[in-house]
Amino acid sequence: AQSVTQPDIHITVSEGASLELRCNYSYGATPYLFWYVQSPGQGLQLLLKYFSGDTLVQGIKGFEAEFKRSQSSFNLRKPSVHWSDAAEYFCAVSGGGADGLTFGKGTHLIIQP
Amino acid sequence: DVKVTQSSRYLVKRTGEKVFLECVQDMDHENMFWYRQDPGLGLRLIYFSYDVKMKEKGDIPEGYSVSREKKERFSLILESASTNQTSMYLCASRPPFIEQNVLTFGAGSRLTVL
Repeated sequence: AQSVTQPDIHITVSEGASLELRCNYSYGATPYLFWYVQSPGQGLQLLLKYFSGDTLVQGIKGFEAEFKRSQSSFNLRKPSVHWSDAAEYFCAVSGGGADGLTFGKGTHLIIQP
Repeated sequence: DVKVTQSSRYLVKRTGEKVFLECVQDMDHENMFWYRQDPGLGLRLIYFSYDVKMKEKGDIPEGYSVSREKKERFSLILESASTNQTSMYLCASRPPFIEQNVLTFGAGSRLTVL
């Protein structure tokens, strides 16, 4: 069965500093990988996705993620965070079937002024 | 843009009540999903549907049922609500093709069972 691990439950970053959120997945074949963001009281918004091709993918709001097959990782990065980036971030994996996505438990990002 | 609408943002129910959570999408998507979100547990799949009147159990279907009578509407039903079903419920939809395997989520329904 597929699974996703987000090792960091909480991360605190100063405004303007760089950010990296970690995601490791377990899946037997080539996965489809996603990062979603959830602002307080809201649903989930897609930041970016990886299906195939270039392993560095660009998303919205200045985020990017790199797929590393050898490490089974899909880490999310941003060079300079803004206070509005404070949110819950979810990594997810899919095999492309009808049964939706498998999500990690999320990383709560706190931005310090 | 695809829109997924969950009609109730906040509900408070009593133990034993029957609860309906409604979800409507406006982009003719075949696939629809119900997830439950709890702190520290992330999102867990309750049920999904890949066509009208079709349904499949997800990872935690116990205590829930679903109904999909029309393509645009997917309802989650708690036959007899219990306090351990207090949670945030998220509905999502998706087109059928692998290349577009992106879920679009509603804003969520926060259910409190007293």
